[in-house]
Amino acid sequence: DAGVIQSPRHEVTEMGQEVTLRCKPISGHNSLFWYRQTMMRGLELLIYFNNNVPIDDSGMPEDRFSAKMPNASFSTLKIQPSEPRDSAVYFCASSLGQGVYEQYFGPGTRLTVT
Amino acid sequence: AQSVTQLDSQVPVFEEAPVELRCNYSSSVSVYLFWYVQYPNQGLQLLLKYLSGSTLVESINGFEAEFNKSQTSFHLRKPSVHISDTAEYFCAVIDTSGTYKYIFGTGTRLKVLA
Repeated sequence: DAGVIQSPRHEVTEMGQEVTLRCKPISGHNSLFWYRQTMMRGLELLIYFNNNVPIDDSGMPEDRFSAKMPNASFSTLKIQPSEPRDSAVYFCASSLGQGVYEQYFGPGTRLTVT
Repeated sequence: AQSVTQLDSQVPVFEEAPVELRCNYSSSVSVYLFWYVQYPNQGLQLLLKYLSGSTLVESINGFEAEFNKSQTSFHLRKPSVHISDTAEYFCAVIDTSGTYKYIFGTGTRLKVLA
């Protein structure tokens, strides 16, 4: 298996622009997670889905952030409009299910908002 | 909600020396604990986990951790480190009081010196 796939790997955009990050989980995994990592705040869970349904979105910072999972093999995280403070590495992870399962992380998308 | 505390943000150690990375968790009836490792410019990978049974768990590359209920700790140890162990290490607990999401610690940066 190719593992969790994220695209793009790097994104540089200007403040106010819309940014869309993409994730393809491991086939057969039912849970998908979006995390954000910064030096200041560490690793934060933004949202997670189980069977394509959002279970916990309490970590989504504000209305500028939205996430969708239209099917079992694809998810997006959108920021509109983007701000410099959104600069971070965004990770997608997947696991077999909800609960005490290992999470498999993608390589991350490094977002820079100027 | 449950939480984990990693007291050491950075730990420098010489090659072939022993190391201990500390992790304490908030007490709960059910505790599921993990250590993840993040090598530079990569996503996190599972190192080892405690779900139940033997309180001493080991990884394939020589790390071990011991679940200590009385001290609410899950410290990570290795008797002899290699340069290749340089990475950031995250302790995590499953939040069994809510949606079974991971709660990650702030991470400990291990730097192995030649």
